[in-house]
Amino acid sequence: AQSVAQPEDQVNVAEGNPLTVKCTYSVSGNPYLFWYVQYPNRGLQFLLKYITGDNLVKGSYGFEAEFNKSQTSFHLKKPSALVSDSALYFCAVISFSGTYKYIFGTGTRLKVLA
Amino acid sequence: DAGVIQSPRHEVTEMGQEVTLRCKPISGHNSLFWYRQTMMRGLELLIYFNNNVPIDDSGMPEDRFSAKMPNASFSTLKIQPSEPRDSAVYFCASSLEGTEQYFGPGTRLTVT
Repeated sequence: AQSVAQPEDQVNVAEGNPLTVKCTYSVSGNPYLFWYVQYPNRGLQFLLKYITGDNLVKGSYGFEAEFNKSQTSFHLKKPSALVSDSALYFCAVISFSGTYKYIFGTGTRLKVLA
Repeated sequence: DAGVIQSPRHEVTEMGQEVTLRCKPISGHNSLFWYRQTMMRGLELLIYFNNNVPIDDSGMPEDRFSAKMPNASFSTLKIQPSEPRDSAVYFCASSLEGTEQYFGPGTRLTVT
């Protein structure tokens, strides 16, 4: 079965420290991988994606993510967290097997402490 | 670009009433998605369309829910009759097929 896992419901990090939000996936074929962020009372907002090419992808607001095929992971990272980064983060994958299948993770709440 | 437009932004209705949620996708996008988000169940994909045709409606909870996309610039999600357990935020999103999705601001539905 195809799936996306975000093993942590919540991640706490101090402002200025590096942050990592974890994501692993299980799909057949080559995955298209995405991260989205949701601020309170807003819709999800696209942050970055991996389709092919360089395993390290950079996105909005200083976020980046590393695709690791052997570990089937796509962790979101930022070198220095801001209080304003506090939000709900979703990992997502698209797989293709005749039709596209869109799968979102359960979300990880990031709390950056001042 | 105005982004994905949803209406209404808030809807409060009584149990048994019909509710219709509306969505205008981003111009040029050929895929449209309806999601439901609650604290208990998280984000759930209800249905998605490609080129106005429903591709996957396996997430539609039951026959009380129906969705249509009569043209490339408009979609509706209807609940009839509504029940308190339908209370949630409903999101519409659009994309080019196989690419990142752009979400609307959501409709907060409260069924009393």
